[in-house]
Amino acid sequence: NAGVTQTPKFRVLKTGQSMTLLCAQDMNHEYMYWYRQDPGMGLRLIHYSVGEGTTAKGEVPDGYNVSRLKKQNFLLGLESAAPSQTSVYFCASSYRREVEFFGPGTRLTVL
Amino acid sequence: AQSVTQLDSQVPVFEEAPVELRCNYSSSVSVYLFWYVQYPNQGLQLLLKYLSGSTLVKGINGFEAEFNKSQTSFHLRKPSVHISDTAEYFCAVSRMDSSYKLIFGSGTRLLVRP
Repeated sequence: NAGVTQTPKFRVLKTGQSMTLLCAQDMNHEYMYWYRQDPGMGLRLIHYSVGEGTTAKGEVPDGYNVSRLKKQNFLLGLESAAPSQTSVYFCASSYRREVEFFGPGTRLTVL
Repeated sequence: AQSVTQLDSQVPVFEEAPVELRCNYSSSVSVYLFWYVQYPNQGLQLLLKYLSGSTLVKGINGFEAEFNKSQTSFHLRKPSVHISDTAEYFCAVSRMDSSYKLIFGSGTRLLVRP
């Protein structure tokens, strides 16, 4: 039981490049989330999913897209990276009420 | 909309001393409340949660928190801290009707000194 895993752990991009962050969970959770963490701002919800094939916008969705083609995976895409997207990205999943399980994070730097 | 305020960005304390990390929230509807801990270079871990019932909630690692509806607070306490408690602590709130959408505070760094 690996819990929530994220790929990659670190990445450096140039402005305008694209990339996809992968989140996987093996707990059969319906809900999955993507957050970003910036200094002094706590975590902010980017997008979330309440089940396979569904996605919805969170607090800060601009510049990101997501897909949930399989229940265990939740992908976060950056089509054209900007320096403002330099952050640490956390994926999380939950069975129902509370977000309990977070992944280890992906540290992204956009130059 | 909901919001969470953690007034203290850093709390230094000596080992074995008690500690309180403050959290206040704002919401026009009923909410659930959470505390998470983040150790250096790790993801977040749920410490404790208030969903309903007793206003005093006990969590892991000897932490507890008290929900005070009149003061809209959910302060985290531990009677005696250890060096290993050094970490960042986040308070979070969610609406009862969309409990999976968390709003986080900016975090409080607890620094335990020997």
